This record gives sequence, C-alpha cells and structure tokens, in this order.
Amino acid sequence: KQEVTQIPAALSVPEGENLVLNCSFTDSAIYNLQWFRQDPGKGLTSLLLIQSSQREQTSGRLNASLDKSSGRSTLYIAASQPGDSATYLCAVGRVGSARQLTFGSGTQLTVLP
Amino acid sequence: NAGVMQNPRHLVRRRGQEARLRCSPMKGHSHVYWYRQLPEEGLKFMVYLQKENIIDESGMPKERFSAEFPKEGPSILRIQQVVRGDSAAYFCASSEAVPLNEQFFGPGTRLTVL
Repeated sequence: KQEVTQIPAALSVPEGENLVLNCSFTDSAIYNLQWFRQDPGKGLTSLLLIQSSQREQTSGRLNASLDKSSGRSTLYIAASQPGDSATYLCAVGRVGSARQLTFGSGTQLTVLP
Repeated sequence: NAGVMQNPRHLVRRRGQEARLRCSPMKGHSHVYWYRQLPEEGLKFMVYLQKENIIDESGMPKERFSAEFPKEGPSILRIQQVVRGDSAAYFCASSEAVPLNEQFFGPGTRLTVL
C-alpha cells in the first residue's frame, strides 16, 4: 500500500526566501507525481506533474524533482511571496492503479511580508 | 476554457436525507475522479469513472454511496441516508487519457450533515 508523507507539516518564512518542501513515498513503482496547492476553502490547483521517467520539472519560480529510487520528491520555491501562502500537496499515481492518486497530508506554507 | 465545475458548492442535509453532488469535467476530458477530504485529514480517492463505466471504485464505501457518469450530462456522486460522518469536502477531478494523466480539480462541494 502506497503511503505519502510530507515534511514539514507547517512552514513559515519571510518574503524573498527560497524554500524546499519535501515529499516521500513508500512504493517506488510510481507512474507519476503531481504537486498541487490548495488555498483555504478552495479546490486544488495543479502546479507540476512529473512522469516517472523524468527527474525534474520547472514552471516559473517552481522546480520539482523526483528521485524514484529513494522515494523522494522536492518542490523548490524561489523568491517566495506572500501570495505563495497555501497548503502544498504531493500526490502519487502508482503503476497498476495510476489513475488513483495517493495524497500526502500537505505542508502549510506561510510567507510573511 | 472552463475548468472542472462542481455544484452545489455547499450542501446541507439532515441525517437520513440524500445528497447529490454534480461534476462537469473540463472540455475534452472523458475521465472523472471523486475524492473526499474529511476534516483534519488528507484527500482520499473514492472512484474513477469513464463515460457510462465505473473503472475503479476501490475507495468508495460499500453502502450508501454510488457514482455515475452518463453518456450525457455531469457525473453524479450520490450519498443515501447521510450520517454526520459523511460531512466532508468532496472534490471531483478530470483528465484526458493516458499517458499524461494530469488531474485537474474542481472547487469542491462542502457537505454538512446536521
């Protein structure tokens, strides 16, 4: 059974700082990994999707990496802004049940102005 | 290009009533997923549907819950005889066919059972 863990559960940083969010998963037979952000009371916004054959993906100030062998992914946010404050979720699609995403419990990020 | 649409956004039901949650996928998407987020818990997969077919319902409670995605119209998640423990946010997502499988989520329906 796939388990996804995100550390830390909460993070508070001053504006302008670069930061890294961590995601680990127990079963390395993954199909893909997706990072989302969730604002309070809202739905999920897809940030980045990494296929199992890829090592990283970039979008603007965001960079996500994937190391299947160690069961880890990181989301790097450069030059953080108060608008980045949200909960960041990591989700894994597993081989054999790729369409069923398994979510971590998220990292709640606060960027202080 | 409208995203995934869900309605209602908020739904209040009394114990024993039925709840119907609707989801219209993004244009061009033929795969729909339902997830549930219980208070203070993470999102959990419930069911995956394609048009007129349930593909994977391994996360769906065996009783009182059902889902459909008819040939015409939105996908429906139906909860019969609701109980307080059904209070949660229910999210729908949609995607195109493999191999990309990037899932796009709707704003959710927040169900409160009194």
